[in-house]
Amino acid sequence: EDQVTQSPEALRLQEGESSSLNCSYTVSGLRGLFWYRQDPGKGPEFLFTLYSAGEEKEKERLKATLTKKESFLHITAPKPEDSATYLCAVVPRGGADGLTFGKGTHLIIQP
Amino acid sequence: GAVVSQHPSRVICKSGTSVKIECRSLDFQATTMFWYRQFPKKSLMLMATSNEGSKATYEQGVEKDKFLINHASLTLSTLTVTSAHPEDSSFYICSARDGAPRSSAQHFGDGTRLSIL
Repeated sequence: EDQVTQSPEALRLQEGESSSLNCSYTVSGLRGLFWYRQDPGKGPEFLFTLYSAGEEKEKERLKATLTKKESFLHITAPKPEDSATYLCAVVPRGGADGLTFGKGTHLIIQP
Repeated sequence: GAVVSQHPSRVICKSGTSVKIECRSLDFQATTMFWYRQFPKKSLMLMATSNEGSKATYEQGVEKDKFLINHASLTLSTLTVTSAHPEDSSFYICSARDGAPRSSAQHFGDGTRLSIL
């Protein structure tokens, strides 16, 4: 069974304090790994897609990396507006087309 | 780009009522749309995959007669919760894939908060 585990569940940082969020996955072949940001009462907002181990993508203060077992979302010098729940999801090579999500990491950036 | 609109954003209704939720891709065509459900402090769970012009594919444990899905055009999918009961109360979110490959990104609407009294 495909599984996605995110850690930590919650993270509180000071503004400017860099950190990383982890996403461990177990799938029968990975077609793609996705990172999303979700604000309260809203749908997930697409951030990145990663396809193969060693791949990295960056957007402003965020950088996503991928290995064969896990992905990291690095947040550099975060600002209060980066506060949100960050979701990791995978699409396996077989099975359903839909995304299998982790439970997310609730990130709070304090000014 | 890649905007998905979902309507209504919130529904409160009595038990036994049927509720229809619309999901539209505003600036792209989506041959495949998805419906998810999210309970508090839980992951988004895939309910069904909706392909334009064909029957939806439901995940195990999701009653197809309870959750009717129609995807009649490349920009619109609807989910109808029939004879809703309090246990159907949840946050329902749709998404649309912006390309044919399964590895294409899915873009989400802002969800519908359904409360059944």
